Amino acid sequence: ETGVTQSPTHLIKTRGQQVTLRCSSQSGHNTVSWYQQALGQGPQFIFQYYREEENGRGNFPPRFSGLQFPNYSSELNVNALELDDSALYLCASSSGTGHTGELFFGEGSRLTVL
Amino acid sequence: DAKTTQPTSMDCAEGRAANLPCNHSTISGNEYVYWYRQIHSQGPQYIIHGLKNNETNEMASLIITEDRKSSTLILPHATLRDTAVYYCIVRVDGSSNTGKLIFGQGTTLQVKP
Repeated sequence: ETGVTQSPTHLIKTRGQQVTLRCSSQSGHNTVSWYQQALGQGPQFIFQYYREEENGRGNFPPRFSGLQFPNYSSELNVNALELDDSALYLCASSSGTGHTGELFFGEGSRLTVL
Repeated sequence: DAKTTQPTSMDCAEGRAANLPCNHSTISGNEYVYWYRQIHSQGPQYIIHGLKNNETNEMASLIITEDRKSSTLILPHATLRDTAVYYCIVRVDGSSNTGKLIFGQGTTLQVKP
């Protein structure tokens, strides 16, 4: 167990709706990154938050947005859901920029868009 | 970040060593080799990483060739619980994107009784 917790574990939405996913990072970790994993694919980097600011983003449209709070927990928001947004969304925490080491992943939130 | 190439799938007998190869022929001098695995329906789990020396921890050993163009992850005594997708990733450490990993398709390792 990594100490990274995500909620909800499963949810179903319809096309056009909005969704918020939540992540609590491991104690002492101030960097949170989010990944999207479609069925049968490797995880794809969405963005990273460090000290409450986004400081790295993958190839995802602006309707994917996030927040990081003073306690370093984080949210991923997706607006105007599309069918292709159906995926496992993973959160990972690490101890900050310039750090050499591993990421600690949560178990993910599985989103189904109908 | 350099691209990696891994076999799509491998089988291994329980109790035997599992040797998972990875090719990273375009690796730069400051890029580390990382290995993660993902057991079905779970988040990826860190296994090991290295720069140019061979590394060993309680989970596995990492052998990096002298020219650093390829590496092998060794699970010395594979168990059924080691059945997973194994990802080989190269990245620059100490950069601003420490939370960013570029995952490929990985190798699906099936450990058989």
